[in-house]
Amino acid sequence: EPEVTQTPSHQVTQMGQEVILRCVPISNHLYFYWYRQILGQKVEFLVSFYNNEISEKSEIFDDQFSVERPDGSNFTLKIRSTKLEDSAMYFCASSEQAQVLTFGAGSRLTVL
Amino acid sequence: AQSVTQLGSHVSVSEGALVLLRCNYSSSVPPYLFWYVQYPNQGLQLLLKYTSAATLVKGINGFEAEFKKSETSFHLTKPSAHMSDAAEYFCAVSESGAAGNKLTFGGGTRVLVKP
Repeated sequence: EPEVTQTPSHQVTQMGQEVILRCVPISNHLYFYWYRQILGQKVEFLVSFYNNEISEKSEIFDDQFSVERPDGSNFTLKIRSTKLEDSAMYFCASSEQAQVLTFGAGSRLTVL
Repeated sequence: AQSVTQLGSHVSVSEGALVLLRCNYSSSVPPYLFWYVQYPNQGLQLLLKYTSAATLVKGINGFEAEFKKSETSFHLTKPSAHMSDAAEYFCAVSESGAAGNKLTFGGGTRVLVKP
């Protein structure tokens, strides 16, 4: 069964460092998303991406965050200068049409 | 704005007993509704979805959910719990837009299954 692949599974970084989380969506999917889950809290929407541009973003997705689809297969989330409160599990998801999302296993980010 | 409320952050059931997880939503337009399951150290896996077809939706692993518009509910049930059902369950709502599908999640319900 096709799946969304995320790397790394766990990253530890120092506050202020840049982090790039990578995702390989399902190949025929057109919509891409990032969500995050801070430990013990709800899964929160960050951003959606369609047709090579951001289609919607949440209040969380400030100037420290950016997304990119550098080639035909990868979808990345960059955090320019990490803060302690960025520590969370980050989930990538993709969908063929605007209905059912398939999520990856997540990338756990720990900011020290 | 849409929102989801899951009643009970933790539920404990005996193996073989009924599992009932409650979800209420609010949405300004007809919603799409979903249940996802998260096993320890894993991602979110779709259990089932409601997208304006039949109101009783059957999903994987013996789970089903019923959409009740009058009650704005989408409760998840399984007649007989299995040890492997121990996980966290998330209800989610979306309003399908032209450029994708943003999900709003509930707070999750962690299910413990006792032998």
